[in-house]
Amino acid sequence: GQQVMQIPQYQHVQEGEDFTTYCNSSTTLSNIQWYKQRPGGHPVFLIQLVKSGEVKKQKRLTFQFGEAKKNSSLHITATQTTDVGTYFCAGSFGNEKLTFGTGTRLTIIP
Amino acid sequence: DGGITQSPKYLFRKEGQNVTLSCEQNLNHDAMYWYRQDPGQGLRLIYYSQIVNDFQKGDIAEGYSVSREKKESFPLTVTSAQKNPTAFYLCASTPDGLSYGYTFGSGTRLTVV
Repeated sequence: GQQVMQIPQYQHVQEGEDFTTYCNSSTTLSNIQWYKQRPGGHPVFLIQLVKSGEVKKQKRLTFQFGEAKKNSSLHITATQTTDVGTYFCAGSFGNEKLTFGTGTRLTIIP
Repeated sequence: DGGITQSPKYLFRKEGQNVTLSCEQNLNHDAMYWYRQDPGQGLRLIYYSQIVNDFQKGDIAEGYSVSREKKESFPLTVTSAQKNPTAFYLCASTPDGLSYGYTFGSGTRLTVV
């Protein structure tokens, strides 16, 4: 079936370091969304990317959608303790449902 | 404030029993979804509904059933046929299919004892 692969599964960084998580699909995506889930919480929508090569920024977060619309990345600059959580990508393959990646769990070392 | 309410937050079930998880939204969203979350496996789609009185199976529908009699409500029944029901269940909604991000409820953690 259609899958969205996400790496790494875990990432431990010192506070102030950068962090990046990557999503890949073997099939072209219609769009991709990113979510953040705090420990013990529920996923919260961050952003949606639709266009080939699109780049969007939210303060220290930068989201990219690949030219072929098969990959995406989330980059956080100068991590803070509030960034702790699991980051999920979720892609659509042209139907009405999202396929979620397995998530990247970010922990911050103060 | 508008949102999605899932109840109960924690649920314990004996093997062989059916149990129904509640999901109510007051966002006037057309589409609603049920996901199951297991450690290290992300979110997997159980059922979804684009409109009242209509729903479709997701990737892991076996052992589950749903109904969509009202726009606001999308209850999920975990039947005794579900072999491994212990998991975190999340309900979500969106105004339509995929033009917007999902709004998630706070989840129900089901444990089979």
